[in-house]
Amino acid sequence: DTGVSQNPRHKITKRGQNVTFRCDPISEHNRLYWYRQTLGQGPEFLTYFQNEAQLEKSRLLSDRFSAERPKGSFSTLEIQRTEQGDSAMYLCASSFAGQETQYFGPGTRLLVL
Amino acid sequence: GQQVMQIPQYQHVQEGEDFTTYCNSSTTLSNIQWYKQRPGGHPVFLIQLVKSGEVKKQKRLTFQFGEAKKNSSLHITATQTTDVGTYFCAGSYSSASKIIFGSGTRLSIRP
Repeated sequence: DTGVSQNPRHKITKRGQNVTFRCDPISEHNRLYWYRQTLGQGPEFLTYFQNEAQLEKSRLLSDRFSAERPKGSFSTLEIQRTEQGDSAMYLCASSFAGQETQYFGPGTRLLVL
Repeated sequence: GQQVMQIPQYQHVQEGEDFTTYCNSSTTLSNIQWYKQRPGGHPVFLIQLVKSGEVKKQKRLTFQFGEAKKNSSLHITATQTTDVGTYFCAGSYSSASKIIFGSGTRLSIRP
């Protein structure tokens, strides 16, 4: 399968714990995006990378959230000191720079107890 | 700030009826995309519109981009049960910027 993959698919954690999610984009794609989606809402932009450079971060992304794409391939999204309000689906998408079409992964569903 | 509004939030139709969802931005968009998300699934790209007044068709789906590039619509003719899901528009304000999703229209169908 050459689509976008995300791991884990589900994560249950206790409030205050740190969690890390991984996204593997389509291999030829140089752009990678992170979104958060809650029930009944559209995906909400968090941040995106072009190659290894993080080009934009949403103001919604508090300093508890950090994302990396060290070698311009896979990316990780870490949430420190999780809160119940962080419970959501975290989606990753990838694309070619200059082509707006984004291909989404299956997402990681986070539940913070 | 930049925001993309989408209506209606829900639509429940009889199989065979038509369905339309509308998307609106207060400022001019560079382009607009449409995605479909099945229940329990992830958004899947349907189409991108770039030109003012553009109309594109995919079988029973017709997509339009307004002349002012501030609004768009998706119309499905003669809905089928396979059309069930949430349809999102997503607008971009420049070719290099992120896309902003609308809140989606959830389509359900009575067989």
